[in-house]
Amino acid sequence: KNEVEQSPQNLTAQEGEFITINCSYSVGISALHWLQQHPGGGIVSLFMLSSGKKKHGRLIATINIQEKHSSLHITASHPRDSAVYICAVRDRAAGNKLTFGGGTRVLVKP
Amino acid sequence: SQTIHQWPATLVQPVGSPLSLECTVEGTSNPNLYWYRQAAGRGLQLLFYSVGIGQISSEVPQNLSASRPQDRQFILSSKKLLLSDSGFYLCAWGQGGEQYFGPGTRLTVT
Repeated sequence: KNEVEQSPQNLTAQEGEFITINCSYSVGISALHWLQQHPGGGIVSLFMLSSGKKKHGRLIATINIQEKHSSLHITASHPRDSAVYICAVRDRAAGNKLTFGGGTRVLVKP
Repeated sequence: SQTIHQWPATLVQPVGSPLSLECTVEGTSNPNLYWYRQAAGRGLQLLFYSVGIGQISSEVPQNLSASRPQDRQFILSSKKLLLSDSGFYLCAWGQGGEQYFGPGTRLTVT
């Protein structure tokens, strides 16, 4: 079993729909990251959070430390949101190195 | 502001040939530096990280090596490439828990 599991693996939405991506992890963490990888491969860090909730524009990230679960929400989705979204955790027992989920490929159709 | 450069952007190399990928960071000093690989259809995997000049930690056994000859320069090398070395190689720098990714190098070993 992977230490970081994401669901779904693939997601297709119509423009304007609300999107949720889930991330579950099995290790003790010091922080969780949400990353966005565009088709060209470049990666952008969206959020780093260790508790509660963060919001940036139409993106919202939440984390429940007790349940070892995080969600990334995209409100009013747009075709430019099409990308792979990656969850990564900083493993406290592994020197705070990042362990990555397999990613969720999101396609938003106009 | 900080920027991170990687080159080349794409590379096609025959099996058995050497490899040298370079990563440089501007606008910060003494960053932690990371090399990641993303094989086709797989998640990101940490290959090497460095907390200072000449200090390299390897995460997975492989025919790759890394060096940090200067504070803001991180080099990934191989003496003889294998087909399995094909993938997308990302350099990242980190401070304060956050990590910032370079544009990546897409390597195809033929």
